[in-house]
Amino acid sequence: DAGVIQSPRHEVTEMGQEVTLRCKPISGHNSLFWYRQTMMRGLELLIYFNNNVPIDDSGMPEDRFSAKMPNASFSTLKIQPSEPRDSAVYFCASSFLRDASSGANVLTFGAGSRLTVL
Amino acid sequence: AQKITQTQPGMFVQEKEAVTLDCTYDTSDPSYGLFWYKQPSSGEMIFLIYQGSYDQQNATEGRYSLNFQKARKSANLVISASQLGDSAMYFCAMRGGANNLFFGTGTRLTVIP
Repeated sequence: DAGVIQSPRHEVTEMGQEVTLRCKPISGHNSLFWYRQTMMRGLELLIYFNNNVPIDDSGMPEDRFSAKMPNASFSTLKIQPSEPRDSAVYFCASSFLRDASSGANVLTFGAGSRLTVL
Repeated sequence: AQKITQTQPGMFVQEKEAVTLDCTYDTSDPSYGLFWYKQPSSGEMIFLIYQGSYDQQNATEGRYSLNFQKARKSANLVISASQLGDSAMYFCAMRGGANNLFFGTGTRLTVIP
């Protein structure tokens, strides 16, 4: 099992540029999560998909952020236009959710994408 | 709404000693899950242990155990026989009603040789 694969691992861009982060979840997992980690705010949930459908996007900071999951094996998080305050590590995680009351919905995280916006 | 609180920004422990990392939570959901993750300096998030709200016994995984006190709404992580490789950030997390996962602010553990 290759685990959750994220790309790019590191991205340095200039303010105003579009940034696209990519994630391939573990095969067979039906839930996918995007988190952002900063020193100031810790780990924040941005958006969560179940069976490719966005369930909770209340954590998406603003309209500059968008996320898609066109199929079960791929998701993107896009920032357009990027700003210096978007600099953070962005994690993608996936899990297999059996049902709504399932307890041990253990998330497996990717290695993260470190974004620096100058 | 769910809330996770980790009040220890940093902890030190002597190698081979045990250490307890604190975590308290608040939720109105009758069914919930509590998780601990480790984040070493390399940055990856590693799942350690899980406790369900209806589990009768405290969870254990090797040197990790979870001291679950439901009435006090606490889910402390106990690491026995600390090793130098245990030095890392440790995050407590809770599964929300929508099956997403909310994290605390973390505790940085340093194991002293």
